[in-house]
Amino acid sequence: DIQMTQTTSSLSASLGDRVTISCSASQGISNYLNWYQQKPDGTVKLLIYYTSSLHSGVPSRFSGSGSGTDYSLTISNLEPEDVATYYCQQYSKLPPTFGGGTKLEIK
Amino acid sequence: QVQLQQSGAELVRPGTSVKISCKASGYTFTNYWLGWVKQRPGHGLEWIGDIYPGGVYTNYNEKFRGKATLTADTSSSTAYMQLSSLTSEDSAVYFCARRYYRYDRGTWFAYWGQGTLVTVSA
Repeated sequence: DIQMTQTTSSLSASLGDRVTISCSASQGISNYLNWYQQKPDGTVKLLIYYTSSLHSGVPSRFSGSGSGTDYSLTISNLEPEDVATYYCQQYSKLPPTFGGGTKLEIK
Repeated sequence: QVQLQQSGAELVRPGTSVKISCKASGYTFTNYWLGWVKQRPGHGLEWIGDIYPGGVYTNYNEKFRGKATLTADTSSSTAYMQLSSLTSEDSAVYFCARRYYRYDRGTWFAYWGQGTLVTVSA
């Protein structure tokens, strides 16, 4: 199975900050990388698919980039409702696998 | 709008089985694959498998083959996952999620249910 690693398990930032969350794969995944947001109440939503495509209804302050084995999610202008845990997921090969998550808090 | 409504929390005894449901609305149930994901503290998110209600095809993560059985009832637009021979390792939140595929963008879980907590305890 492809291992997905999010080396930062938690981070704290101030409102209005630009935040970058990183994710790396144990082998190349050809940009088949998705990002999800899980709110404190457990609700999960898709943010980004195929590395950088924004899902419908997701604010434009969210963006994604990367290639090969290294990918990142950037939140510009951090807002209170962005408090959540963020997961990357590869769907290059079965089984699809997730990173361990990065919990984002407000300072 | 697409909605996936999951059944409520379950408290079950070790060694027994449990069947949880995921009722879909807002789209044509038979046109999309529906996946199931397990979440345990400290173990992250794990893909269990998925089912295509339109043709009753299934894929399973080898890790969950024999543990989970996926079915679907097209008359009620409801997907089910049965977990058997339950142990404490099966205590988790289980999500259903609608899969979407585009030939040039790959596959992702576009919509998620709210999750069902299964607690295995004597």
